[in-house]
Amino acid sequence: GQQVMQIPQYQHVQEGEDFTTYCNSSTTLSNIQWYKQRPGGHPVFLIQLVKSGEVKKQKRLTFQFGEAKKNSSLHITATQTTDVGTYFCAGTLNAGGTSYGKLTFGQGTILTVHP
Amino acid sequence: AAGVIQSPRHLIKEKRETATLKCYPIPRHDTVYWYQQGPGQDPQFLISFYEKMQSDKGSIPDRFSAQQFSDYHSELNMSSLELGDSALYFCASSSGTSSANEQFFGPGTRLTVL
Repeated sequence: GQQVMQIPQYQHVQEGEDFTTYCNSSTTLSNIQWYKQRPGGHPVFLIQLVKSGEVKKQKRLTFQFGEAKKNSSLHITATQTTDVGTYFCAGTLNAGGTSYGKLTFGQGTILTVHP
Repeated sequence: AAGVIQSPRHLIKEKRETATLKCYPIPRHDTVYWYQQGPGQDPQFLISFYEKMQSDKGSIPDRFSAQQFSDYHSELNMSSLELGDSALYFCASSSGTSSANEQFFGPGTRLTVL
């Protein structure tokens, strides 16, 4: 079954409202990455979190990694129409040797922003 | 900056045919990952290579095989195609020595099996 759960599946907001998507893993993650995929496009790397309790900000985006390294969140402040797309979290469950391992993606949250 | 190149971008095949998807990673990237993304789904990991050796294997059917060549490009070979193989196939590359392990995704190959 899905090892990395992400909610909500869909989020519709008015431009200017905030948006949050949550990611939860059944196992401890080595790290977690966030990607954005526009309709018809490919996943684009946003950020990676590695440390327990880590918080990173990119302009209006705030990313958090839980203390137990099992959950993460992405919060967008004051959404804009350019924020539309699907946001995926992706965890590295096994990171051994010199190859850092596959990504296990969450189901993604589809964000639509109404102007 | 150079990105991951995938070819072809679109491919239409009949059931039971074979298909070969190609991936050219970013220069100096030594790790290649293949993912399959069905409609409305998240990318599912298929297989990865590091320094031309298979490094990890996911939910890849036995009908599929892949390899990484000396120039680090990779090919995904798919035989006895089924309707359910219709999907977007992404290749991603990374530098095995990078602590960030950011995976750069290619534009994908859209495979349609009729």
